[in-house]
Amino acid sequence: AAGVIQSPRHLIKEKRETATLKCYPIPRHDTVYWYQQGPGQDPQFLISFYEKMQSDKGSIPDRFSAQQFSDYHSELNMSSLELGDSALYFCASSRDLQETQYFGPGTRLLVL
Amino acid sequence: EDQVTQSPEALRLQEGESSSLNCSYTVSGLRGLFWYRQDPGKGPEFLFTLYSAGEEKEKERLKATLTKKESFLHITAPKPEDSATYLCAVQDNTDKLIFGTGTRLQVFP
Repeated sequence: AAGVIQSPRHLIKEKRETATLKCYPIPRHDTVYWYQQGPGQDPQFLISFYEKMQSDKGSIPDRFSAQQFSDYHSELNMSSLELGDSALYFCASSRDLQETQYFGPGTRLLVL
Repeated sequence: EDQVTQSPEALRLQEGESSSLNCSYTVSGLRGLFWYRQDPGKGPEFLFTLYSAGEEKEKERLKATLTKKESFLHITAPKPEDSATYLCAVQDNTDKLIFGTGTRLQVFP
């Protein structure tokens, strides 16, 4: 069965640089969620989109922005990167709002 | 404030030694409780969704149960390939999942 696709899988950036993470949801899923997982921590919700509109917002820094496109893929844009942004970033998708969320393999971001 | 607490933090089992993982939660208006399995450096893999107290779900060696205050993940006769971190998460009326810190399970042959 098709799963959530994330790219890139690994990313190394310098402080103050920008990064763009991409997420391709499971086919026919119209809802996308972004989570951040620091080392040894549980995933923390950042933001979600339903039918290309922002649906809910969590602890996402103002330096980050995201959007969902007409083909339902989503991008997380991160600017002025800080050392503390180093983490695993997961995208999840669901068939509808508040349906089961299926997670992608994640993007490991390292900020040096 | 919504909160999820998992215990134990770590669990070491001999192959075939059954046990249970606990997930206690406080949430205003539970819409669903979810169990995920996570291997190191990988994304959480969906296991079960439970919606109401008394509900049970089974899959191979795993069985999840739900009460009004907690959920249990029972592992029967575990195998080394069951070694992973098991995450419990709740969802209220918002979109987000609120995760516990997980139980790290190691099963030895």
